[in-house]
Amino acid sequence: DQQVKQNSPSLSVQEGRISILNCDYTNSMFDYFLWYKKYPAEGPTFLISISSIKDKNEDGRFTVFLNKSAKHLSLHIVPSQPGDSAVYFCAASEPGTYKYIFGTGTRLKVLA
Amino acid sequence: NAGVTQTPKFQVLKTGQSMTLQCAQDMNHNSMYWYRQDPGMGLRLIYYSASEGTTDKGEVPNGYNVSRLNKREFSLRLESAAPSQTSVYFCASLQRLNSNQPQHFGDGTRLSIL
Repeated sequence: DQQVKQNSPSLSVQEGRISILNCDYTNSMFDYFLWYKKYPAEGPTFLISISSIKDKNEDGRFTVFLNKSAKHLSLHIVPSQPGDSAVYFCAASEPGTYKYIFGTGTRLKVLA
Repeated sequence: NAGVTQTPKFQVLKTGQSMTLQCAQDMNHNSMYWYRQDPGMGLRLIYYSASEGTTDKGEVPNGYNVSRLNKREFSLRLESAAPSQTSVYFCASLQRLNSNQPQHFGDGTRLSIL
């Protein structure tokens, strides 16, 4: 049973446009959500996170939105750049468990 | 500033051989993790160690053992490798000042089992 799901395996976006990556979860106990970016032959690197007490968190071109009632989060990248081309993973954790569950990833391709 | 270091970076094994993947972090982090990444499956948690002296099973622990040797090091052992264990293995660590912290990952070990 997959608790964190990314239903779009891939996404292509023109440079300068908005990229929207989506993630759904089933465990209502999750209280912390993260997005990681992964380039080939490298480990995932942390991008942005959000606590369940918020519904939005911004960091430069990256914004994460959380809709707790729908158990859905999304990552917006504006404007998208070719260097953003990577695989993006969402992850979630329950309070006090120190256990992080990842989604299957979405491969983003930003076209120049 | 090495962060999380994994060795080896690549390994080819024959079915039935044993192997230990090494992971060390120099950030004085409390928690450490082992994940495997397979196409279409994302990152799946194998085992984790919330603190020195403790280890717990993740989503896919079968066929693996772990040792939290000290605060810095967390190893993953395959006692009898199987082709289904061909994967990219990532180690991660977490400071754990409170629960809301991101993990830091190593660059992975690419393991092929023939």
